[in-house]
Amino acid sequence: NAGVTQTPKFQVLKTGQSMTLQCAQDMNHNSMYWYRQDPGMGLRLIYYSASEGTTDKGEVPNGYNVSRLNKREFSLRLESAAPSQTSVYFCASRQGYRQPQHFGDGTRLSIL
Amino acid sequence: SQQGEEDPQALSIQEGENATMNCSYKTSINNLQWYRQNSGRGLVHLILIRSNEREKHSGRLRVTLDTSKKSSSLLITASRAADTASYFCAVSGGGADGLTFGKGTHLIIQP
Repeated sequence: NAGVTQTPKFQVLKTGQSMTLQCAQDMNHNSMYWYRQDPGMGLRLIYYSASEGTTDKGEVPNGYNVSRLNKREFSLRLESAAPSQTSVYFCASRQGYRQPQHFGDGTRLSIL
Repeated sequence: SQQGEEDPQALSIQEGENATMNCSYKTSINNLQWYRQNSGRGLVHLILIRSNEREKHSGRLRVTLDTSKKSSSLLITASRAADTASYFCAVSGGGADGLTFGKGTHLIIQP
């Protein structure tokens, strides 16, 4: 019963490098989300995908791109990493708009 | 912004005592949700209360919602050491977009 799986769990990048964070869910949920969490802060929405084939910007989309590869997978890409993107990134999914979200365990990303 | 804000930011109590956390938000909502986050882990959903509900229970958890005051409270009764975690409220407008989270209350249960 995996739920939401995020890879990698940890990553260190240099400024200017690119990388893709992967997320997959096995609950057949329609909607998927990417959040970031900074120290002492709640989660802030980066991008979301209401259904397969659609993506929309959240509160803090600058510097990120996303791809909803299929119903299961939703990836987050940093094209040119900056130190301000050092954070913990969480992926979540939910079945319907008024249902709770299910979260992965996060990717801890440090950019030097 | 519909942002939820929790109060207090940190709370330390003895095992067996009750813990109360409060959340305030700014605009109309469809539902309000409470999540728990253990150190280094993702968020776990605790309870969802809809805008037309005033109180909801789940085990040792009791949530109230006052839409006229735009506030909610989470009560954990008979606390246990395992309840040590950060607790977040999150509000939803009911649409496809994501939740808006507060900064959380860090709860420490002293054995």
